Parts: sequence; C-alpha cells; structure tokens
Amino acid sequence: KAGVTQTPRYLIKTRGQQVTLSCSPISGHRSVSWYQQTPGQGLQFLFEYFSETQRNKGNFPGRFSGRQFSNSRSEMNVSTLELGDSALYLCASSRQDTDGYTFGSGTRLTVV
Amino acid sequence: GQNIDQPTEMTATEGAIVQINCTYQTSGFNGLFWYQQHAGEAPTFLSYNVLDGLEEKGRFSSFLSRSKGYSYLLLKELQMKDSASYLCAVTGGFKTIFGAGTRLFVKA
Repeated sequence: KAGVTQTPRYLIKTRGQQVTLSCSPISGHRSVSWYQQTPGQGLQFLFEYFSETQRNKGNFPGRFSGRQFSNSRSEMNVSTLELGDSALYLCASSRQDTDGYTFGSGTRLTVV
Repeated sequence: GQNIDQPTEMTATEGAIVQINCTYQTSGFNGLFWYQQHAGEAPTFLSYNVLDGLEEKGRFSSFLSRSKGYSYLLLKELQMKDSASYLCAVTGGFKTIFGAGTRLFVKA
C-alpha cells in the first residue's frame, strides 16, 4: 500500500514569504501529525489532526497553522517566514492513537 | 511540563548487546514508543509499550516502568545496519513528544 506522501520534497523561500506543505496519509489513517526536525532541537510537535479537527498543538507561534480535509489529507502553512524556520517538516499518520506513526519522507524547507 | 531524557551517543561492537535508556516526565501518559531513524531518512516504528514489563520483538526488546518514568530499548546481536538514531517518544493527550534521540554507532 502507498505510504505517507509529502509534497514538495524540497523548497527554498525568502524571508517574509509564506509556504504551504501538503501531506497525504496512508489510506484509512485518520490521524495526521506534523513535526519540525532540526539538528539542534530534534523532533518538535506542531499539531495533530483527527477527522478534520485539531486535537492538540505544540508551542509554535501563530505563524504556523494547519488543517485537515475530509479525505484526511492535511496541509500546514507557515506565514512570514524567518531564517529559523529552515528545517525538515515531517508528516506522520496513524490509524489509531495506540498505533505507531508512519512518517512521510518530509519537506526540507530552506529560508534565505 | 514534559521532559524526555536519553543519552546523546553510544558506541557498541558488532554482535554485542546494547541498552538505550529513556526517562520521562510528562503530564498525561498513554504509552511509550521507540523509533529508529537512519541518517537522512524518516523515523520508523520499532515498539510500543503501554503496560509495565518487557516486550520482545526479534532482536529488539523494549521495557517500561510507568511508576519510575523509565524505559529502555535493548538491541541484541548488533549489526552494522543498526547504526542509527533511536528516538524515545511518549504519547498522551493527542500528541506524541519525542526525545532528542540517541545516536548509536556500531563498530566492527
């Protein structure tokens, strides 16, 4: 079966711009979570969605937002990009909370 | 608050056994995951513990003590391909929080 698909794989943006990242979970997985991964901070939790509802969010500024559609696909948006937003953004899906995540390959965002 | 601690790096020899420890303090606990992440790749699921005790899965075993806020991942018969980062993650309240990971180097 198809895995978690994230697009695009790589992105270069300028400070002040905004960006939208997309994630298509495994078919049948209704939970989608987003993480930011940097060498210094590791995996930092951004938000979790289930059936179009955001059930929890991490400690990120309001510039980071997301949503989930009725087909479970999810998007995250970062507005007014800063250099510090350069990171690997990982999407993960699971069928239920007690299942392990399946991660996508990530979107590597570089802000210049 | 939430805090997950694990050693930054470990080195072990091919064929040996290594134990990677994880201690955690969280508000809300449903279970604990271990993931493996090779350099340049996404994390992959290894194990999930919700009850105290040892869960064995092939060469990998994971232990949990909820009262002590402690877990470990045991890797037996180490192979070179086991060189990777191992991430301890605690789930609860509709979020999973990851530790910084332990980089394991397996030498010949």
